[in-house]
Amino acid sequence: SVLTQPPSVSGAPGQSVAISCTGSSSNIGAGYDVHWYQQLPGRAPKLLIYSNNNRPSGVPDRFSGSKSGTSASLAITGLQAEDEGDYYCQSFDSNLSGSKVFGGGTKLAVL
Amino acid sequence: QEQLVESGGGLVKPGGSLRLTCAASGFTFSGYYMSWIRQTPGKGLEWLSYISDSGATTYYADSVKGRFTISRDNAKNSLYMQMNGLRVEDTALYYCAREPPYHGGLDFWGQGTLVTVSA
Repeated sequence: SVLTQPPSVSGAPGQSVAISCTGSSSNIGAGYDVHWYQQLPGRAPKLLIYSNNNRPSGVPDRFSGSKSGTSASLAITGLQAEDEGDYYCQSFDSNLSGSKVFGGGTKLAVL
Repeated sequence: QEQLVESGGGLVKPGGSLRLTCAASGFTFSGYYMSWIRQTPGKGLEWLSYISDSGATTYYADSVKGRFTISRDNAKNSLYMQMNGLRVEDTALYYCAREPPYHGGLDFWGQGTLVTVSA
């Protein structure tokens, strides 16, 4: 994938985790926004964070996003069992005409 | 309530064609850009194509360029993907998703339609 995410992260209920998304000078480093999606088992993806650090209505403030240089990060605090699923970052890449690009996804396990 | 419902998936032989439809309801369809994204079973998300709110601008991923065509009919609140020259590697769950014009995120997704390409 053009955007690199760790394959998996884990944490105990109540703990915090962070998921990184590493890009390059043609995507995140070029200033393009990063968006994050949550995909629970058997469900369609859901927008979690848009434009780097904004939460859509209804998304708990346990979820937050940040961006710096060629990377972005999704932080989840107060882990809950229902947070278990896959998380994807997404941006735009200027080397690929009109292309949105996704990270490979990170599986979050709540132990 | 807002809905995006994909249809048109199914089993097709390599080299065959399918037309996917995404029916929108509960929101002003003509006010949003739209995209198609696919997900191979057990794998990640792959963006395929984008269409502007008017339909005047389209973009494609290299993997489908020249084989797939995105279109929309705002009068029918519908998005389409014509898929020709299908390959085994096109087997996936295909989602449509909407994009508000004020940010590049995909803020609402359908439940997907499964396309299987097999001899």
